Amino acid sequence: GAGVSQSPSNKVTEKGKDVELRCDPISGHTALYWYRQSLGQGLEFLIYFQGNSAPDKSGLPSDRFSAERTGGSVSTLTIQRTQQEDSAVYLCASSLDGWSRNYGYTFGSGTRLTVV
Amino acid sequence: GQQLNQSPQSMFIQEGEDVSMNCTSSSIFNTWLWYKQDPGEGPVLLIALYKAGELTSNGRLTAQFGITRKDSFLNISASIPSDVGIYFCAGPLDRGSTLGRLYFGRGTQLTVWP
Repeated sequence: GAGVSQSPSNKVTEKGKDVELRCDPISGHTALYWYRQSLGQGLEFLIYFQGNSAPDKSGLPSDRFSAERTGGSVSTLTIQRTQQEDSAVYLCASSLDGWSRNYGYTFGSGTRLTVV
Repeated sequence: GQQLNQSPQSMFIQEGEDVSMNCTSSSIFNTWLWYKQDPGEGPVLLIALYKAGELTSNGRLTAQFGITRKDSFLNISASIPSDVGIYFCAGPLDRGSTLGRLYFGRGTQLTVWP
């Protein structure tokens, strides 16, 4: 597509429930990133995909968080047994090639997750 | 983890004024990036700097890559209402599998009064 698409744009969930956040990157972009943005904070790196593999998932805060990417395209970030501290905006970005000097990430508009 | 210290945290200025914000790091960066985030949107890249000492302009924006490679600043001249938003500095640490991952500052919230 023309841009990075994320869905849903807003999600309210009850504590303890599982949620899935979806990211559809720009067609042809091999690198895909998930970041989390909490109120008043910078962007916190979660995971990086190159193709379908994740060479860097060091930012996932706990084993309740997981992500996968299929077909070198769509990615899903799953949060199990959500907690209130998981409330944040989850941003996805893609770039043509994560291994080049092209750091021209294109970000999606994010999914605002609220855990009540 | 790696931290980028960005200041100021927020700025309230009048339309037409110039703005300056900066970012420092305890580690050397080989690339400095400046992003702007509008409300409800993802950040958008404004300026990329690839060489120590480099000074780059993009319209009313000017950014510099510090000589020590541990700092960068962004200036906005003659601010206008649409400059409102959060400005982030960012950079990658080019090593191993983290190539491509960016570290972000906490952002500078800019408010412009007409």
